Amino acid sequence: SQTIHQWPATLVQPVGSPLSLECTVEGTSNPNLYWYRQAAGRGLQLLFYSVGIGQISSEVPQNLSASRPQDRQFILSSKKLLLSDSGFYLCAWSGGARAQYFGPGTRLTVT
Amino acid sequence: RKEVEQDPGPFNVPEGATVAFNCTYSNSASQSFFWYRQDCRKEPKLLMSVYSSGNEDGRFTAQLNRASQYISLLIRDSKLSDSATYLCVVLGGGADGLTFGKGTHLIIQP
Repeated sequence: SQTIHQWPATLVQPVGSPLSLECTVEGTSNPNLYWYRQAAGRGLQLLFYSVGIGQISSEVPQNLSASRPQDRQFILSSKKLLLSDSGFYLCAWSGGARAQYFGPGTRLTVT
Repeated sequence: RKEVEQDPGPFNVPEGATVAFNCTYSNSASQSFFWYRQDCRKEPKLLMSVYSSGNEDGRFTAQLNRASQYISLLIRDSKLSDSATYLCVVLGGGADGLTFGKGTHLIIQP
């Protein structure tokens, strides 16, 4: 069966520091991969999605970036965090069925 | 107009009751629809897909009305463990990602 991992689970970072969140998927090949952010009291916002290695589409302008160095690895990065980057970051994958399955998420607090 | 709208609630419902909530979507070209469940501080989990003919999974029934662009979820014989936020989700509209409603908060009371 497929599983999706994210780490770290929680993170507290100062403003201006860099960020790297990692997501890996097991049990499937060539998945579509997604990064979402859920801010407190708000809905999920799609940040990036990828249909293959090295292929990244960005949905919103921001100081975040994403990379997909391997088929089942998706990384979310920032060079300098802003206070507004705080939130719950979720990685998800989908196959042919179109429903998406989420990892456990990373709760980021920028101080 | 928001792409996917839901009544945020909370819906306070006694255990054993039937509860229903709706969701409306704005993109008439949307092709796939889902209900997800999200527990506090956890990731959303797929509850069920919503098919054009309506579908049932145990105590849960989902309906789609394309003409009026709304989706419904019915929960029968509600359990305390049904307490959660239910997210209406629509696929389609330019991105490959899903568009989520902000969720309806359901509280089942003993």
